[in-house]
Amino acid sequence: GAVVSQHPSRVICKSGTSVKIECRSLDFQATTMFWYRQFPKQSLMLMATSNEGSKATYEQGVEKDKFLINHASLTLSTLTVTSAHPEDSSFYICSAHPGGTYEQYFGPGTRLTVT
Amino acid sequence: EDKVVQSPLSLVVHEGDTVTLNCSYEVTNFRSLLWYKQEKKAPTFLFMLTSSGIEKKSGRLSSILDKKELFSILNITATQTGDSAVYLCAVEIGTGTASKLTFGTGTRLQVTL
Repeated sequence: GAVVSQHPSRVICKSGTSVKIECRSLDFQATTMFWYRQFPKQSLMLMATSNEGSKATYEQGVEKDKFLINHASLTLSTLTVTSAHPEDSSFYICSAHPGGTYEQYFGPGTRLTVT
Repeated sequence: EDKVVQSPLSLVVHEGDTVTLNCSYEVTNFRSLLWYKQEKKAPTFLFMLTSSGIEKKSGRLSSILDKKELFSILNITATQTGDSAVYLCAVEIGTGTASKLTFGTGTRLQVTL
């Protein structure tokens, strides 16, 4: 099946620093990639939709200047959490969509802890 | 506002029991409904449903969609401890080439010996 990787799987950073998370589709091209956030015992909340070569579309309430998304190629999207704060600590999951009638394929997630 | 509601929120059953998980939705531009299983990491795909009344089966799991009443159920028969997880229902919405998933809050299933 289709494989999506995320790197890093776990990161701890200090308050005020920036963290970059990579999402790669390994064996298919993803026309669209999605970024989700999941707080403990809660469901996945869509943060933004990213199409290759164009600006990301952010969901209501998600600050685009804080969560920078770059979708440089059909197999790579990055999420940068800028000036991270403890309340940004969460599980960040990406998914990649090859288009058509296929489902989204999820990456394994990145657990971010901001101290 | 698009809404996906799952019930129950949590459930504890004994191994061997059969469980039914519910998902109802109110969305615009419905495309499909998906079920995922989430253990410690990211969700793993179970089913995608697009047509009403057609049951999808995979081993002990099955699911069906009712587009008139706007709900879906996920059945697990002869449950095993390995079925313990959070089960997420998501609805794909969109028009044209753009689509996205809206997730329900999940049902936390615990299967005990």
